[in-house]
Amino acid sequence: AQSVTQLDSHVSVSEGTPVLLRCNYSSSYSPSLFWYVQHPNKGLQLLLKYTSAATLVKGINGFEAEFKKSETSFHLTKPSAHMSDAAEYFCVVSEPVSNTGKLIFGQGTTLQVKP
Amino acid sequence: EPEVTQTPSHQVTQMGQEVILRCVPISNHLYFYWYRQILGQKVEFLVSFYNNEISEKSEIFDDQFSVERPDGSNFTLKIRSTKLEDSAMYFCASSPDEIAKNIQYFGAGTRLSVL
Repeated sequence: AQSVTQLDSHVSVSEGTPVLLRCNYSSSYSPSLFWYVQHPNKGLQLLLKYTSAATLVKGINGFEAEFKKSETSFHLTKPSAHMSDAAEYFCVVSEPVSNTGKLIFGQGTTLQVKP
Repeated sequence: EPEVTQTPSHQVTQMGQEVILRCVPISNHLYFYWYRQILGQKVEFLVSFYNNEISEKSEIFDDQFSVERPDGSNFTLKIRSTKLEDSAMYFCASSPDEIAKNIQYFGAGTRLSVL
């Protein structure tokens, strides 16, 4: 069965410093992996996706993630945090064999950005 | 940019009452989903819907739940007799086609409070 573990429930960084949000997955197949962000009172917005092409994936707002099969990881990074990055971030997995596109979510990481 | 719209943003109901949560997916999308997030827990898949029928449902989606696409634009989730444990944030999502069905666009959610 597939699953996702986000290793930190809360991450706090200072504005202008790097961001690292960690995610490990478990999947019997070659998974598709996603990062979603949720700002307060907003919907879940797709940041980036990995679907078996390049292992380093670039997303919106300067975020990127690297798929590492040997480590079963898909960590999200950004070189320099901005105040507007404060939000809840979800790592998500979907297996190609799923006929329905069902997504499996991690428990979420709250990113706090301090001035 | 097209978006998924959910109404109401907050629904308060008494235990045992029926509720209908409404969603307007992105126009021309073919796959529709409901997820929920109980406070402090993961976002969980409830059901997927394609071609006017359920394509997959989770164990949570029991006989108390139903979904419907009554016209060309709305997608609804009905809970027949609400329980306290149904209190959660409910998210609707849609995806465009077979190839991209796991690339899902989410609404802002409806917070359901069962008293």
